[in-house]
Amino acid sequence: SQTIHQWPATLVQPVGSPLSLECTVEGTSNPNLYWYRQAAGRGLQLLFYSVGIGQISSEVPQNLSASRPQDRQFILSSKKLLLSDSGFYLCAWSVPPYTIYFGEGSWLTVV
Amino acid sequence: AQSVTQPDIHITVSEGASLELRCNYSYGATPYLFWYVQSPGQGLQLLLKYFSGDTLVQGIKGFEAEFKRSQSSFNLRKPSVHWSDAAEYFCAVGAKTSYDKVIFGPGTSLSVIP
Repeated sequence: SQTIHQWPATLVQPVGSPLSLECTVEGTSNPNLYWYRQAAGRGLQLLFYSVGIGQISSEVPQNLSASRPQDRQFILSSKKLLLSDSGFYLCAWSVPPYTIYFGEGSWLTVV
Repeated sequence: AQSVTQPDIHITVSEGASLELRCNYSYGATPYLFWYVQSPGQGLQLLLKYFSGDTLVQGIKGFEAEFKRSQSSFNLRKPSVHWSDAAEYFCAVGAKTSYDKVIFGPGTSLSVIP
């Protein structure tokens, strides 16, 4: 069966510091991969999606970036964090028939 | 473009009572429809999904949802709520484009009174 791992689960970072969140999927090949953000008390916002290695599309402009160095690995990064980057970040994957499955999420607090 | 509304921001029900969470969508073609549940501090878990066929869909944890094309709705129901059902519930609508573009509603927070 397929599983998704996301880490770290929580982190507290100072403003201006870099960020790296990592996600890996097991048990499937060539999945679509996604990064969502969920701000406190708000719905889910799609940040990035990827349909293949090295193929990244951004849904919203921001100071975050994403990379997919391997088929089942998806990384969310920032060179300099802002206070507004605080939130709950969720990695997700899908394969046909087009159902999205989520990881457990990463809590980011920027101080 | 697709969109989803969940008219109820917060609902409180007594344990053992029935539950219905409302979801309305906007999409030009036949949508893919989903309900997810999120417990505090955790990821989203898929409850059920509709792609085609029978408009009454059964899911996990005793939930069901009914697709009504004429009303553009996909309401979630459960006949008897348990205290452990307290969580945030998200309706979502999908469209097959170059990727699986899924738009989520704002969510409905469910509280259960013992």
